[in-house]
Amino acid sequence: AQKITQTQPGMFVQEKEAVTLDCTYDTSDPSYGLFWYKQPSSGEMIFLIYQGSYDQQNATEGRYSLNFQKARKSANLVISASQLGDSAMYFCAMRRNRDDKIIFGKGTRLHILP
Amino acid sequence: ETGVTQSPTHLIKTRGQQVTLRCSSQSGHNTVSWYQQALGQGPQFIFQYYREEENGRGNFPPRFSGLQFPNYSSELNVNALELDDSALYLCASSLKGPEGEKLFFGSGTQLSVL
Repeated sequence: AQKITQTQPGMFVQEKEAVTLDCTYDTSDPSYGLFWYKQPSSGEMIFLIYQGSYDQQNATEGRYSLNFQKARKSANLVISASQLGDSAMYFCAMRRNRDDKIIFGKGTRLHILP
Repeated sequence: ETGVTQSPTHLIKTRGQQVTLRCSSQSGHNTVSWYQQALGQGPQFIFQYYREEENGRGNFPPRFSGLQFPNYSSELNVNALELDDSALYLCASSLKGPEGEKLFFGSGTQLSVL
């Protein structure tokens, strides 16, 4: 069965520091995609970054990078130079490519301190 | 702005009633999916529609049903509401194809069942 695990319910980080949000996943499918979404208090889910299971290089999108370790089944999100506006819930998600079903982890609440 | 709009933003119903939530997808997107997000949890996949046909379903009972229209707008219908149906309901649209990795979410409908 598919599963996403985010072990950090909450994190406090000083502004301008880098932060790593952990995500491990479990699947028997060979083809899948991994996502990170940000959910501010307004409720909208904002796409941050995507990694395909066959991608050789780690995905990067501006200050966001995804540390993809396929053998360990981990897909950690790294935010460089954190900003106050990064305070939000962050969800890791996985899509099973054979039927597009997506499952989400329980999320990590990130607090950026001034 | 993702171009995905949901209505209404908030809704209060009583147990046993029926509710219809609406979603307008981003222009050009042919796939819509619906998610239920309980307080403090990650979104749970309800179902997905592709070109007006249901294309996948999560572990939700049949009283959760949906429609996708030719203009790719969508509805989520819930019959015989239960207290546990209280949640944020998120709609997401995407375009099936090589560029279809991203889900674009609306801001959600907050449903309260009393």
